[in-house]
Amino acid sequence: GAGVSQTPSNKVTEKGKYVELRCDPISGHTALYWYRQSLGQGPEFLIYFQGTGAADDSGLPNDRFFAVRPEGSVSTLKIQRTERGDSAVYLCASSKTGQGSSYEQYFGPGTRLTVT
Amino acid sequence: QKEVEQDPGPLSVPEGAIVSLNCTYSNSAFQYFMWYRQYSRKGPELLMYTYSSGNKEDGRFTAQVDKSSKYISLFIRDSQPSDSATYLCAMRDNYGQNFVFGPGTRLSVLP
Repeated sequence: GAGVSQTPSNKVTEKGKYVELRCDPISGHTALYWYRQSLGQGPEFLIYFQGTGAADDSGLPNDRFFAVRPEGSVSTLKIQRTERGDSAVYLCASSKTGQGSSYEQYFGPGTRLTVT
Repeated sequence: QKEVEQDPGPLSVPEGAIVSLNCTYSNSAFQYFMWYRQYSRKGPELLMYTYSSGNKEDGRFTAQVDKSSKYISLFIRDSQPSDSATYLCAMRDNYGQNFVFGPGTRLSVLP
């Protein structure tokens, strides 16, 4: 079946602009995660959704970052007033619900964001 | 000190070698331990997971967890050029969904 898809694959924007990054999880996966990965680093947790609600947003770095998942499927990560330090690969992952299986996160290919 | 540490490499080995990849961590509450493989410009792919301490084997891969030392390992036997990638360890506790990743070790298996 289809895996996690993310669009766009690459996004170049100017400092100060607003961007939206989209994630389509695997069908039937109720848990969805956003991560940010900088060059030479591991993914850094941003936010976790269980269904439509953000169950843990403790990783969002500041209030310029916001994410939604209105129908419990597709999620959008929104970044306002982008800064050069926001440049990174933004990864989305999904998993089945339930603590026993939640370690099985399936990652998308990521969106490479470059802020000039 | 970072919560999860990993030697960034690069680690270069000849084809057929046994590879040992390691992570250390500081949070004794971590119970779930995962190893991911990430090819260049791709998302991480889950290789192995272990709950609490012990060993787990899957084909050419063996994962070990030593909670007393806060140290986990991934062994790759009969390494192949296709194993060339960055290997990430990740872990979390029993309650949260916040997975903490190491920085990754870049592995090159030379034919």
